[in-house]
Amino acid sequence: ELKVEQNPLFLSMQEGKNYTIYCNYSTTSDRLYWYRQDPGKSLESLFVLLSNGAVKQEGRLMASLDTKARLSTLHITAAVHDLSATYFCAVDSRNAGNMLTFGGGTRLMVKP
Amino acid sequence: NAGVTQTPKFRILKIGQSMTLQCTQDMNHNYMYWYRQDPGMGLKLIYYSVGAGITDKGEVPNGYNVSRSTTEDFPLRLELAAPSQTSVYFCASSYTRIESLRPQHFGDGTRLSIL
Repeated sequence: ELKVEQNPLFLSMQEGKNYTIYCNYSTTSDRLYWYRQDPGKSLESLFVLLSNGAVKQEGRLMASLDTKARLSTLHITAAVHDLSATYFCAVDSRNAGNMLTFGGGTRLMVKP
Repeated sequence: NAGVTQTPKFRILKIGQSMTLQCTQDMNHNYMYWYRQDPGMGLKLIYYSVGAGITDKGEVPNGYNVSRSTTEDFPLRLELAAPSQTSVYFCASSYTRIESLRPQHFGDGTRLSIL
C-alpha cells in the first residue's frame, strides 16, 4: 500500500523567509504532483514532476523530485502573504487507473 | 470551457437518507474519480472509472456506489447516509496515463453534512 507523508503539517512563517516542505512516499513511483488548496476551495495544480532529478519553478515556489530517495520538496523563497494556503503532494500509484495517493497536506500561514 | 462541474455545492442530509452527488466534465477525459476530504486531512479516493461502463473501488468505497453510463458523467450515490460520511466530496477527471502527463482536474466540491 502506497503511503505519502508530508511534513510539516503546519507552518507559520514571516514574509521574506525561506522554507521547505517535504513529501516522502513509500513505494516506487515516477510521477508526483503538487497542489494548492485555499480555504473552502478546490485544488489547483502547481507542478507535475515526472522523473528523477526533475525541478520545476513558478514564481517563489520550486519543486524537486528524487525518486531514489522517494522524496519531493517544495521550496518557498521569500514568502509573501498570498502564498498562505494548504499544499498537498500526491503520488501516482502507477496502476492503470492513474490513481493518486495524497499526503495529509501542509497548512502554510505567511505573516506580514 | 466549464471543466469539472459538481452539484450540489452544499447539502444537509438526515441519517438514513439517500442522495446522488452529480459530476460532469466537458474535457472528454476518460478517467474520472471521486474523493472525500475530511477536515484538516488529505483526499482519499472513493471510486474511479477508466471509461464509460467501467468503475472500480478506491481506498474508501464502503457506503457509496457509482455508475458511468457516459464519458461525461460520473455520479456518486449514498444509499443510507451516516454521520461518518460528513465530508467534502471532490470529483476529478484526467486523460489516460499514456495520452497525457497532465494532472487531474478537480471540481469545486460538494460540502455534505449528515445530522
